[in-house]
Order: sequence, then structure tokens, then C-alpha cells
Amino acid sequence: DVKVTQSSRYLVKRTGEKVFLECVQDMDHENMFWYRQDPGLGLRLIYFSYDVKMKEKGDIPEGYSVSREKKERFSLILESASTNQTSMYLCASKVQGAGNTIYFGEGSWLTVV
Amino acid sequence: AQKITQTQPGMFVQEKEAVTLDCTYDTSDPSYGLFWYKQPSSGEMIFLIYQGSYDQQNATEGRYSLNFQKARKSANLVISASQLGDSAMYFCAMRAANAGGTSYGKLTFGQGTILTVHP
Repeated sequence: DVKVTQSSRYLVKRTGEKVFLECVQDMDHENMFWYRQDPGLGLRLIYFSYDVKMKEKGDIPEGYSVSREKKERFSLILESASTNQTSMYLCASKVQGAGNTIYFGEGSWLTVV
Repeated sequence: AQKITQTQPGMFVQEKEAVTLDCTYDTSDPSYGLFWYKQPSSGEMIFLIYQGSYDQQNATEGRYSLNFQKARKSANLVISASQLGDSAMYFCAMRAANAGGTSYGKLTFGQGTILTVHP
């Protein structure tokens, strides 16, 4: 069974802390994505990666960075967490090229206090 | 730029009745794909149905059908014979090709509609 796993479901961090959200997929997918979900705004793309060490900014990259050192793992980094980054974060992956199936993780609920 | 609009923050339906969730979109890309996802309270995103911009027929998947009206740029989701387990958040999303013809699978989402099914 295909899987996208987000390491932490619920996190509480303090303002100014460095936060790592980890995502691992076991499908050998080239493309991986980080979205954040907020009420009334839907999901918005933060960053995506189409290969190891390759990344591109999405619609709301400010305050975030990403790392993709291995194909299966895509990390979202909040260098200095702020309260406005309190949100639900969703990771997704997809095989490059043809096909429409995009697999999502279960989400990580981050609260910054 | 692409945009997806879901104008219904919440919808209520009686069990066993049909319900339509609205979605309109805007894009200048000639080739695009439209998706509907269901998100239960647990948070995972469940793929429901897909419609390609060049598909001649409306997509159907079991109790789900997509009412695709290209000229009106709408892609409404119809759920027939609603069940209590259909209560969830529903998102409409669009994938469009980049300038080079590769989309990588990036999606633009609407705001979501919360569907509540009453017994």
C-alpha cells in the first residue's frame, strides 16, 4: 500500500524556535510538495521539489525553507517559528509525468505559542 | 494565474438525497485538470474524481459525478444518495501545465465546502 508519512501529527513550538516537519514517501516519486491549510483559504503551496536537491517556491514560501537530500524525504523548515505559522501542514507526492494521482500525508498540526 | 472558487462555506443535506457542491475556476492554460478531494476530520485528503479539460464526457466515480461546463468554467461535484460518512470538508482543485508543458502536479485549491449529512 502506497504511503506518504508525516513524522509528527501534532506539534507545539515556541516563537523563534527552529521547526522541522518531515515527510517520507515509499513510492519512489520524483515530485513532492508542502502545503499549508488554513480555514477559509484552502490549501496553499509552500514549496515543491521535482528531484533530489531541486526545489521551487510555491505561492507562499516566505518564512519557510525545504530540504531534499534523498528522493524519499522532503523536509519543511521553519527557521524561526512565528505565531502566524500556526497551521495544518500537508505533504504530498506524485510520480513525474503522466498520471493524475497525488498522494497526501495525514497532515501535521503545528501550533506556535 | 489560476484561481479556484468555492462559494459555499457549508452545505447541509438529508441522508439519501443528492447534493451539488459548486466550484468555478479561472485559468489561461488550454490544458488543465480538475480534481475533487474529500477531507474527513482526521485530516487525510481522499481523492474522489478527476476531469481533464479535453475530456468529452463528465467524469463519474460511483456516487460521485463531476458536472463539467467548460464554457462557464465550472466543475461542480454531485454526490448522489448521500451517506452519513460523506460528512467532511470537500476541496476543488486544479492542475495546470507550466510554460514548458510540465505541471509537476502542483495544485491550486479552493477554499473548501463543509458538507454535513443529516440522518
